[in-house]
Amino acid sequence: EAGVVQSPRYKIIEKKQPVAFWCNPISGHNTLYWYLQNLGQGPELLIRYENEEAVDDSQLPKDRFSAERLKGVDSTLKIQPAELGDSAVYLCASSATNTGELFFGEGSRLTVL
Amino acid sequence: AQKVTQAQTEISVVEKEDVTLDCVYETRDTTYYLFWYKQPPSGELVFLIRRNSFDEQNEISGRYSWNFQKSTSSFNFTITASQVVDSAVYFCALRYSSASKIIFGSGTRLSIRP
Repeated sequence: EAGVVQSPRYKIIEKKQPVAFWCNPISGHNTLYWYLQNLGQGPELLIRYENEEAVDDSQLPKDRFSAERLKGVDSTLKIQPAELGDSAVYLCASSATNTGELFFGEGSRLTVL
Repeated sequence: AQKVTQAQTEISVVEKEDVTLDCVYETRDTTYYLFWYKQPPSGELVFLIRRNSFDEQNEISGRYSWNFQKSTSSFNFTITASQVVDSAVYFCALRYSSASKIIFGSGTRLSIRP
């Protein structure tokens, strides 16, 4: 069974440019998460979806970040415009239930110059 | 407040030594779940264990064991006879039911020297 797939693995952009990350969760997993991981720190939740509904986006900086999960399967996280401080790893995870363990993708490492 | 504290930032031991990674959590909820994840250099977090707040039984899986103590709000992880392949960053995490949110500790970087 395929795991959580993320792309791209690495992205280097200049500040003020837009960037988008894509995530395909494990088949059948209704809950999808986007986490931000800064160097040397633990993941921090950006947004959680139950099917296509964003049920927790309280930590998402909505002035520049947006996310969607239109058909309740794969998801896209966008940053526009990117700032230097956005350099980090963006992790996608999915789970089968609301209380189950999370399965993570390999992450998308963003470098903003 | 809901919080996970991993006070050990880095640990380095020689192969075959036993090592314990500490995790202290804080929550007002009576129902919650605790997790441990491993993050090897490749970057993907790998699930190791989940425990719910009503199950204080310790668990052993091969060289791994977990000690859950509600009295001290701790969920410690021990690796017996450590191996070089155990080198990774280990995260403890808490899911509290009132928000259905998982929060992670800051991680402990474990280095096993040959």
